[in-house]
Amino acid sequence: DTAVSQTPKYLVTQMGNDKSIKCEQNLGHDTMYWYKQDSKKFLKIMFSYNNKELIINETVPNRFSPKSPDKAHLNLHINSLELGDSAVYFCASSPWAGSYEQYFGPGTRLTVT
Amino acid sequence: AQSVTQLDSQVPVFEEAPVELRCNYSSSVSVYLFWYVQYPNQGLQLLLKYLSGSTLVESINGFEAEFNKSQTSFHLRKPSVHISDTAEYFCAVSDRGAQKLVFGQGTRLTINP
Repeated sequence: DTAVSQTPKYLVTQMGNDKSIKCEQNLGHDTMYWYKQDSKKFLKIMFSYNNKELIINETVPNRFSPKSPDKAHLNLHINSLELGDSAVYFCASSPWAGSYEQYFGPGTRLTVT
Repeated sequence: AQSVTQLDSQVPVFEEAPVELRCNYSSSVSVYLFWYVQYPNQGLQLLLKYLSGSTLVESINGFEAEFNKSQTSFHLRKPSVHISDTAEYFCAVSDRGAQKLVFGQGTRLTINP
């Protein structure tokens, strides 16, 4: 009965590869987010989608491409991975775009070697 | 631009002792304020929030936070902590209508028996 789920939980890959992280929420929420948490635990928003439409794009390199096939899913594809992409990536959802109560997934730890 | 500063990266306390986790924010407009908690190997969970009304807000597990507009602070307190409170605590701010959260760098609360 996981509310917000992410796959995979761990991802180890080499520089230059392309990888995807998937996120699904079963809460019926309209809005979904991707956050990046760096090695110092600093958490920063990357993208936000509301009903499959991009509403926030926080100066993220265009190697990162989010895709929302429907409002319950928000996937993150990363091209040409770099060492600096190593982080924990969290997906979150909220009932609507103006709702500040966000529900987070368990995170995906990405390690680029 | 909004920013959040959590003044302590780590706070060790003994079980049943009181604790205060400090949070200061900067914003040019009215704000909403939040505390999120991250237990080991889990995603973030909303602990409490200030949107309007009473400046003192409480959570169901004994934490409270007070919004102080003049000092731009939203410190989190608990009169008596338990081992189960061991976690990372994140303060977050949102300008009203901004539709996104800006997080502080987190405070690791460690409870010693």
